[in-house]
Amino acid sequence: ETGVTQTPRHLVMGMTNKKSLKCEQHLGHNAMYWYKQSAKKPLELMFVYNFKEQTENNSVPSRFSPECPNSSHLFLHLHTLQPEDSALYLCASSQELAGGGDTQYFGPGTRLTVL
Amino acid sequence: GQNIDQPTEMTATEGAIVQINCTYQTSGFNGLFWYQQHAGEAPTFLSYNVLDGLEEKGRFSSFLSRSKGYSYLLLKELQMKDSASYLCAVLDSNYQLIWGAGTKLIIKP
Repeated sequence: ETGVTQTPRHLVMGMTNKKSLKCEQHLGHNAMYWYKQSAKKPLELMFVYNFKEQTENNSVPSRFSPECPNSSHLFLHLHTLQPEDSALYLCASSQELAGGGDTQYFGPGTRLTVL
Repeated sequence: GQNIDQPTEMTATEGAIVQINCTYQTSGFNGLFWYQQHAGEAPTFLSYNVLDGLEEKGRFSSFLSRSKGYSYLLLKELQMKDSASYLCAVLDSNYQLIWGAGTKLIIKP
């Protein structure tokens, strides 16, 4: 247990569906991250939030929409996804925003399949 | 561009020693991380190096040479539970983590 939980663990959705991924951290951290992990590819940083404010959006398509209502919760809203969006979506948190070697703690991920 | 290179897959024998290499070309350097990720699980932190040299932590050690853009993770007395992917990541000058694709380590009895 890393102190970061994600739900659901598995999700299968059609291209016209709308769904949301949820992440919760119980570590009292101030920064939270969404990553996409595809097979045999490096982790791709999607979004970064620091003290609930979005600080990074790495050219992510608008069909992915993040929401951070407080420092402990992070959502990723999904709509009209494409089959190439099928991947493992990982949430992470760190005490501060990555500087000085702050370790990121990861959740177990949501395995997303888009049909 | 920024790039992290590590072998895709390695195989080793239980009880042996294995070294997983990572080379990087990044815009600046503020430290290098190693993470372990078992299949279907979260990546978990193993080590952080920001100065040259070897950091030892039990059966695992991590080495860094900033002048060569090179690091390795050394695993001793391998156990079956060490079968996992090992991810190398570098913190660049903007404090962005740049990730390698990971090395899948297979341990055989």
